[in-house]
Parts: sequence; C-alpha cells; structure tokens
Amino acid sequence: QLKLVESGGGVVQPGTSLRLSCAASGFSFGSFGIHWIRQAPGKGLEWVAVISDDGKIQYYADFVKGRFTLSRDNSKNTVHLQLASLRGDDTALYFCAKSRGYSYGSVFDHWGQGTLVIVSS
Amino acid sequence: DIQMTQSPASLSASIGDRVIITCQASQDIKFYLNWYQQKPGKAPTLLIYDASKLEAGVPSTFSGSGSGTHFTLTIASLRPEDIATYYCQQYENLFTFGQGTTLDLK
Repeated sequence: QLKLVESGGGVVQPGTSLRLSCAASGFSFGSFGIHWIRQAPGKGLEWVAVISDDGKIQYYADFVKGRFTLSRDNSKNTVHLQLASLRGDDTALYFCAKSRGYSYGSVFDHWGQGTLVIVSS
Repeated sequence: DIQMTQSPASLSASIGDRVIITCQASQDIKFYLNWYQQKPGKAPTLLIYDASKLEAGVPSTFSGSGSGTHFTLTIASLRPEDIATYYCQQYENLFTFGQGTTLDLK
C-alpha cells in the first residue's frame, strides 16, 4: 500500500531552522518526483517546492527566497526539506505529495497527512 | 506568476443538486489543470487531472472541463460525502493552487 509519512515538525523560534522528512513506501520511490505543499491554519493550499525523481532538479516557490533546501535519498526512500530563517508566516501544516509524470511530475496523486510547523517566540 | 481564481469562495447546496465550481487562470494554461478535494482534518485527494480526466476510484458524478483560462468542476448530483473544500491547481508554469471553494449543505 502506498504511504507517505511526514515528520520533523514542531514549535520553533523565528530565525531558526528545522528539517522535515517524508518517508515513502509501497511504490518505486526513485521513479517519481516529490512535492511539498503547505497549509496555514484555516487557509488554502500553497505549493512550496519539488524535487525530481533523480534529485537533480529542484524548484521552489518565490516566497522561499533561498531559505528552504530539498534533498532526497533514493536508497532510503526519503526526502528532506530543510527550512531556515523561519518566520511567523511559515507556520503551517506541511504535506509531502508524490507526483505523477516525467521527472518532477505535475499531478499530486498521493499525499501524506502532514507535519505541523509553528514559528513563534 | 500564474494566478488561479476560484468562484464562488463558498457554496451551499442540497443533496441531489448539480454543483459547478469555476477556476480562472490569469493566462493561458492549456489543459494543465488538476482538481482536488479536501475534507476537514484530512489531506487533499486528487479528483480530476489534465482538466477533464477522472482519477481512478473517483465517482463518475464528478467531471471537469475547460481549457485555456476557464475551467469548471461539476458534481452532477451532490451526495453528503461530497461536502468538502475543492481546489484547482495549474502546472503550466510551476504550480499554483486556487484559493479554494468550500461546499456545505443548505
């Protein structure tokens, strides 16, 4: 059964860093791109970043502005999203999603349940 | 950046009603549009991809249409389990979601 499990969220102070992880199982992990999408409390979905199936391509939303970094380890079926210089408006539930399609894909066909990041002093 | 505008922002309907949600793109996105459903406290699920293709396992009461800048999601006959928030998402230039349409029972 295909599964995505996010971890690493928590309460952190502004300006600090956090590393989120997405552990996958039940599919050929190295053949699919992985996206991160976030949802602030009571708000809509916001695309954050994507890493391609081979890890060679990453794209980020404009609001990231060099603060977030994606990596993946296909031998461990895991993607990491390193968050740095965190701000209050980064507070959100962070989902990872498997995408369908060539390289980094375009259709988010399976989602994890999310990990909550709260940035507060 | 491509902006996606959904309307209405919220909608009340009765069981059995036909429901239409629209999504407008700020520029031509061809057919590069997907629709998702999100229920409270849950992750989104894929309903429609490539503007009009029904995802496997999704009831045939859901359908999508459109191309270019104007798209619609139609629920042919509303069921109680369809109460949720719906999002469109473009992938012509990176990825952008609409702001969502919340559907509840009248």
